[in-house]
Parts: sequence; C-alpha cells; structure tokens
Amino acid sequence: AQTVTQSQPEMSVQEAETVTLSCTYDTSENNYYLFWYKQPPSRQMILVIRQEAYKQQNATENRFSVNFQKAAKSFSLKISDSQLGDTAMYFCAFMKPEWGMNRDDKIIFGKGTRLHILP
Amino acid sequence: NAGVMQNPRHLVRRRGQEARLRCSPMKGHSHVYWYRQLPEEGLKFMVYLQKENIIDESGMPKERFSAEFPKEGPSILRIQQVVRGDSAAYFCASSPGGIVPQHFGDGTRLSIL
Repeated sequence: AQTVTQSQPEMSVQEAETVTLSCTYDTSENNYYLFWYKQPPSRQMILVIRQEAYKQQNATENRFSVNFQKAAKSFSLKISDSQLGDTAMYFCAFMKPEWGMNRDDKIIFGKGTRLHILP
Repeated sequence: NAGVMQNPRHLVRRRGQEARLRCSPMKGHSHVYWYRQLPEEGLKFMVYLQKENIIDESGMPKERFSAEFPKEGPSILRIQQVVRGDSAAYFCASSPGGIVPQHFGDGTRLSIL
C-alpha cells in the first residue's frame, strides 16, 4: 500500500526567506503522480505543483519548485522569496495513473505541514 | 468558469439529525470525490462517483453514510443520525477523469451539537 509522510507538522520562516517542506512516500509502482496542495485559512485546496514520476526534470511553478528524488522516494517543495500569502497548510499527495480503474486505487495525502510566514 | 461549488459552507446539526452536503463539480467534470478532514489530520478519501454510479466507496463508513451523483443536479453526501464524531470539514473534488489533478471546493464544515 502506498503511504505519504510529511515529517514537519509545523514550520515558521521570515518573509522573503526560502523554505523547504519535506515529503517522502512509499510505493512499489514505477509510474505515478505527486502533488503539493495548499490549503489557506479559507480551507480551499489549491494545486501548487504536480510531478510525473517518469519525468526526471523537477517541476517548477514561479516561486515554487520541487526536488524529486525517485530512488529515495522523496518529493520536497521549495518556496523561494516567501510571502505572507504563502501562510497555509501544505499537503503532499500521491496518485497512480488512471486512478479509479482499479478498486484499490486511491489518492493518498500526507498529514500536512502548517507553514507560517512571519512579517 | 466557476470552480467546484459546495454548500453550505457551514452546517450545524444536533445529534441524531440528518446532514446533507452538496457538491456541484466544475463544468464538464463528470467525476466527483468526497474527502473528510478531521481536525489536524490530512484528507481521507471517502467515496468516488461518476454520474449515476458509485465507483469506489471503500473509504466511507458502512453505516449512516451514503453518497449519490444523479444524472441531473449536484452530488449529495448524506449522513444520517449524526454523532459528535462526524464533526469535520468535508471536501468535494471533481475531475473530467483520467490523470488530471483534481479541483477542490471550499469544503463544508459540519458541526454537531
């Protein structure tokens, strides 16, 4: 069974600093998708970044980038030049392709990291 | 282009009452997923539906919980005879299917008195 682990329950950094959120996962699959979702106080879940396991290049979206280490099963999120609006709960998630085709497929979420950006 | 719409945003019920949570997927999306978020925990999958069909309900408690996604109208998550432990935020997500990321609604916070 797949598992997703976020080992940092809570983090705080000063505005404009760079912060890295860690995520490790366990799977026997070779092809899959990894996501980082942001949940601000409004509670809406916002997709931050997505990584396909078959791509070696790390995904990047503006100030957000990932360090995807497939062999180590690690998928950390780096936020550069952090802003007050980045304050939120961040969830790492794992999904197999064609999810839903098999009854035991799931989207697996970690327990989240609460990130505080301090002024 | 409206996103996933959930209502109500906050629902208060007394123990023993019924709770109905609604989710309208994004336009063009025919797949709906329900998740439950307990305080300080991650999201837990409950059920996956397509129009008029439950694909996977393995994450949903066997008793008191049910879900539907009719041909017309929103998806409904129904909780009968609510108990204190049902207090949580319930999120709905939708996708057109396949391997695209899911889009989430704002959630419904269910409070049981």
